[in-house]
Amino acid sequence: GEDVEQSLFLSVREGDSSVINCTYTDSSSTYLYWYKQEPGAGLQLLTYIFSNMDMKQDQRLTVLLNKKDKHLSLRIADTQTGDSAIYFCAGARFSSNTGKLIFGQGTTLQVKP
Amino acid sequence: DAGVIQSPRHEVTEMGQEVTLRCKPISGHDYLFWYRQTMMRGLELLIYFNNNVPIDDSGMPEDRFSAKMPNASFSTLKIQPSEPRDSAVYFCASSVTGAALYNEQFFGPGTRLTVL
Repeated sequence: GEDVEQSLFLSVREGDSSVINCTYTDSSSTYLYWYKQEPGAGLQLLTYIFSNMDMKQDQRLTVLLNKKDKHLSLRIADTQTGDSAIYFCAGARFSSNTGKLIFGQGTTLQVKP
Repeated sequence: DAGVIQSPRHEVTEMGQEVTLRCKPISGHDYLFWYRQTMMRGLELLIYFNNNVPIDDSGMPEDRFSAKMPNASFSTLKIQPSEPRDSAVYFCASSVTGAALYNEQFFGPGTRLTVL
């Protein structure tokens, strides 16, 4: 079945890099996403990567995909207090055509000044 | 577009009362999802619709929960009778077939439900 696992909590100091990890079981996941949930708000798409890519960089964000190990990571460079939020990884399988995303449990990122 | 709209934003009720949560998806979106978020269980998919038809309700906790989508622009999630363990934040999300980014979901701001 489809499953996505994340560590629950990460604490870093402002200015440091943050790395949030995710593992998934469905090797057919074609699209992998990172969503961000700020306090008191809904989830918003932060970035994504296609399964035919190993890396994607978008300003301070770097997404790495290791298909062999089914491991996805999100690196935030120069972490700011405004990055404090819950980060969810999610996968979608193009072939299933269900419209569903499979979400992980979310990683709470705490940024200390 | 205003995005996904949910109402009310906050609801406080007493155990045993009926609660109705409302959602208006983004215009033109054909998928609608109801999620529940708690500290203990994280984000759970309760039910989702495609073209107003329920596709998968396996996440609905029990018969006290029901969801409807009478038309493409409106959905409700009803809890009757409510219990304290139903206290959570309930999110509605929508997506569209053929989107540029496959299966990207857009979330509403959520309804924070407290059952006393």
